[in-house]
Amino acid sequence: AAGVIQSPRHLIKEKRETATLKCYPIPRHDTVYWYQQGPGQDPQFLISFYEKMQSDKGSIPDRFSAQQFSDYHSELNMSSLELGDSALYFCASSSKTRGGAYNEQFFGPGTRLTVL
Amino acid sequence: DQQVKQNSPSLSVQEGRISILNCDYTNSMFDYFLWYKKYPAEGPTFLISISSIKDKNEDGRFTVFLNKSAKHLSLHIVPSQPGDSAVYFCAASLGFQGAQKLVFGQGTRLTINP
Repeated sequence: AAGVIQSPRHLIKEKRETATLKCYPIPRHDTVYWYQQGPGQDPQFLISFYEKMQSDKGSIPDRFSAQQFSDYHSELNMSSLELGDSALYFCASSSKTRGGAYNEQFFGPGTRLTVL
Repeated sequence: DQQVKQNSPSLSVQEGRISILNCDYTNSMFDYFLWYKKYPAEGPTFLISISSIKDKNEDGRFTVFLNKSAKHLSLHIVPSQPGDSAVYFCAASLGFQGAQKLVFGQGTRLTINP
């Protein structure tokens, strides 16, 4: 079965540079979520999109922005990178069931961002 | 403010025995709970979930128990197998109607010994 695809898998950037992370949800999933997992920490919610509109926002710095495109893929744009931005960035997707409920979120393999 | 807590950072169990992973939460508004399994360099993999209207959900070797009054849930794996060795995350959301973010616990590293 198709899974969530994230690219790139690894990214190395210098301080103050910009980075763009991409996420391709499972086909027919209409909701995308972004999470950040720092070393030894649990994943922290950043932002989510439903039908190309932002649906919820967590602890996402103002330096970061994201959007969901017409084909439902999403991009997380990160500017003025700081050392503390080094983390695993996960994208997850979900869809509404016939009963109208959103069930489980399915995660991609993550992008490991290293800021030097 | 850790709203979902997994107080055991690690757990070691003999192969074939039962593994019990615990999770506590503080926000009484949470009403949908999930367990994820994570291997190094991979994303979390969904295992099993439970809504607050139930107290038990079973799927093969995995059973999740929910005690709403104690704000506690547990994941039972029986029998434990070496391939179960991974980090297990408990997660909670404010319901499953609509796109709800997940709040994760800190994770428990489960090691199954042959």
